[in-house]
Amino acid sequence: GAVVSQHPSRVICKSGTSVKIECRSLDFQATTMFWYRQFPKQSLMLMATSNEGSKATYEQGVEKDKFLINHASLTLSTLTVTSAHPEDSSFYICSAGVSNSPLHFGNGTRLTVT
Amino acid sequence: GESVGLHLPTLSVQEGDNSIINCAYSNSASDYFIWYKQESGKGPQFIIDIRSNMDKRQGQRVTVLLNKTVKHLSLQIAATQPGDSAVYFCAETYGGATNKLIFGTGTLLAVQP
Repeated sequence: GAVVSQHPSRVICKSGTSVKIECRSLDFQATTMFWYRQFPKQSLMLMATSNEGSKATYEQGVEKDKFLINHASLTLSTLTVTSAHPEDSSFYICSAGVSNSPLHFGNGTRLTVT
Repeated sequence: GESVGLHLPTLSVQEGDNSIINCAYSNSASDYFIWYKQESGKGPQFIIDIRSNMDKRQGQRVTVLLNKTVKHLSLQIAATQPGDSAVYFCAETYGGATNKLIFGTGTLLAVQP
C-alpha cells in the first residue's frame, strides 16, 4: 500500500517555458502532499506543503509564483515550474502518506532546462 | 544550484560486514525519525522509523538507535550486501508521522564485493 506515482519521470524544456509535474497517491487519499527538490549529491530540500482544497504552504526562500502548486483532489497534486531557467534543472520529488504512517515518495522527476 | 565541490560523506564496507551510518538531527522537539534509502535516479525508500519515546528499534537486518541527549541517530545494517549500496538519509519531524520531513545530509554507502 501507500504507493505514490510521479509523472513524467524525465522532462527537457526550453528556457522560458513552463513544466507541470504530477504527483498521485494510487491507493490512498492524501489531504497533504509534500514537494522536495534535490540537486546532485545533495539532500532533499522541502519546497512546499500541498494542501487539498487550500493554498500551498511554501518554505522560506521558495518563490510561490514560480513554483505553482495545485492540489485539486485527494489523490493528485501538481507542481508547475513557470518560466523555467537552467538553474531550475533539478530532481523534483513528491511525497504523501496516510495518518500515522511514514511518508512514501514518488520516483522523482528529472527536469532539465536548456 | 549545485554547490561546487560538495560531496556526500561516503562509507565503504566489505560485503558481509556490518555498517553503521550516523546522523545528527537539528530539532530537539522532533519526535519521529525515519531512515530512507535512495538509489540513483529514484525516490527515497522507507527503511525503518523510530519515535522519540524509544531508543532502539530493530527490523530485518537493520537497527536504528536514537540518542536524544546528543540528538544523534544511527542506522546499523547487518551483513551488508551489494544491494545495500545507496545513499542513506535520516529525516526528522514533529507532531505526527505525516508532517513535513526535514532531511539530513545523507551518506553514500559503497559495498565492496
